[in-house]
Amino acid sequence: AQSVTQLGSHVSVSEGALVLLRCNYSSSVPPYLFWYVQYPNQGLQLLLKYTSAATLVKGINGFEAEFKKSETSFHLTKPSAHMSDAAEYFCAVSGANQAGTALIFGKGTTLSVSS
Amino acid sequence: EPEVTQTPSHQVTQMGQEVILRCVPISNHLYFYWYRQILGQKVEFLVSFYNNEISEKSEIFDDQFSVERPDGSNFTLKIRSTKLEDSAMYFCASRAGEGYGYTFGSGTRLTVV
Repeated sequence: AQSVTQLGSHVSVSEGALVLLRCNYSSSVPPYLFWYVQYPNQGLQLLLKYTSAATLVKGINGFEAEFKKSETSFHLTKPSAHMSDAAEYFCAVSGANQAGTALIFGKGTTLSVSS
Repeated sequence: EPEVTQTPSHQVTQMGQEVILRCVPISNHLYFYWYRQILGQKVEFLVSFYNNEISEKSEIFDDQFSVERPDGSNFTLKIRSTKLEDSAMYFCASRAGEGYGYTFGSGTRLTVV
């Protein structure tokens, strides 16, 4: 079984500051890991994914995440926050080689960006 | 870029009524999913569908729910007798295969009154 814990339901940063959103996972099989972003009243947009290739994954809008197996973490970072980054961010996990099974989401982290 | 299309975007129904939520997955995708998100809460898995059958379902997906791929392009979620607590945003997703990302639709907001 897989699960995801997102540390911090709300993160506030200033424009231009580093963004760090934390995600820890638990998985009984090798995991695939994902970060999704949800803007108000919109659907879920894939930011990036880890599927057992490079451990440092680069995504859209300047975001990246590093898979650390020893720490069971997949934290999302962006060097410089922009006002348009304000949104809900979800970390999610699925089992590798289990394409028909569920993608399990964390509870989400709301990112606020102030000027 | 290919999209997952969901209709309607918003549906209001009376408690006890049947609703059908519709989705058109990306055409070459093989795996299909339904999720729901109650307002202010996390996204919850309902069911996955592959090769014309359910491959996994959650405890939420009880006998009131069913899924169907009636014509090779549409993927539907039916709720037989809606309850107030079924009010949520329902997301459809599809996936090409192993190692690929899940592409989500924009969702259907279901309001049960």
